[in-house]
Amino acid sequence: DADVTQTPRNRITKTGKRIMLECSQTKGHDRMYWYRQDPGLGLRLIYYSFDVKDINKGEISDGYSVSRQAQAKFSLSLESAIPNQTALYFCATSEKNLQGNEQFFGPGTRLTVL
Amino acid sequence: GESVGLHLPTLSVQEGDNSIINCAYSNSASDYFIWYKQESGKGPQFIIDIRSNMDKRQGQRVTVLLNKTVKHLSLQIAATQPGDSAVYFCADPQLRAGGYNKLIFGAGTRLAVHP
Repeated sequence: DADVTQTPRNRITKTGKRIMLECSQTKGHDRMYWYRQDPGLGLRLIYYSFDVKDINKGEISDGYSVSRQAQAKFSLSLESAIPNQTALYFCATSEKNLQGNEQFFGPGTRLTVL
Repeated sequence: GESVGLHLPTLSVQEGDNSIINCAYSNSASDYFIWYKQESGKGPQFIIDIRSNMDKRQGQRVTVLLNKTVKHLSLQIAATQPGDSAVYFCADPQLRAGGYNKLIFGAGTRLAVHP
């Protein structure tokens, strides 16, 4: 069973629509992250959370919002989707570790905004 | 600004050959690096990590070398197999007061393994 799951896996929507991407984890990690990946680019951090109700902006938070109401869930919302938000979105989790540690990634959500 | 980058976007190798994927970083305070492998349609998966108190670390068929003088690291894959075909990222977990880690990824190198 996957430790980090994302729903939906694929979504096509229209400009101006509100979209929510869900992430769930069974790893018991405190920290969760949302990234987007564009062709030819690495992953860019959108938002991250260190604990329930803790929210922090990443590199590219404009146009996005997140919610962390439970340890196991971290949702990403696009309030009014635009075409340049077409990308592959990844959720990730990690343990709390002062020395740095790996992040565990979900399978990704492919979002297309028409 | 801080960055982590890769020298080549694509690397083609013959099955059985050794592969070397390079990565450069700009933050001389960086002291921990991770290599990830991303197969088509999947999220990145951890391969191996290295801390700055080491120059070399070996895993199963993979070796990471760190040269702090020139801020460069490389991932070496021995006896490359078709299953190694993927995009490889080096990542620099950025630690701040409070201990959070934020990964700065390089753009990735696509490894293509030919029979």
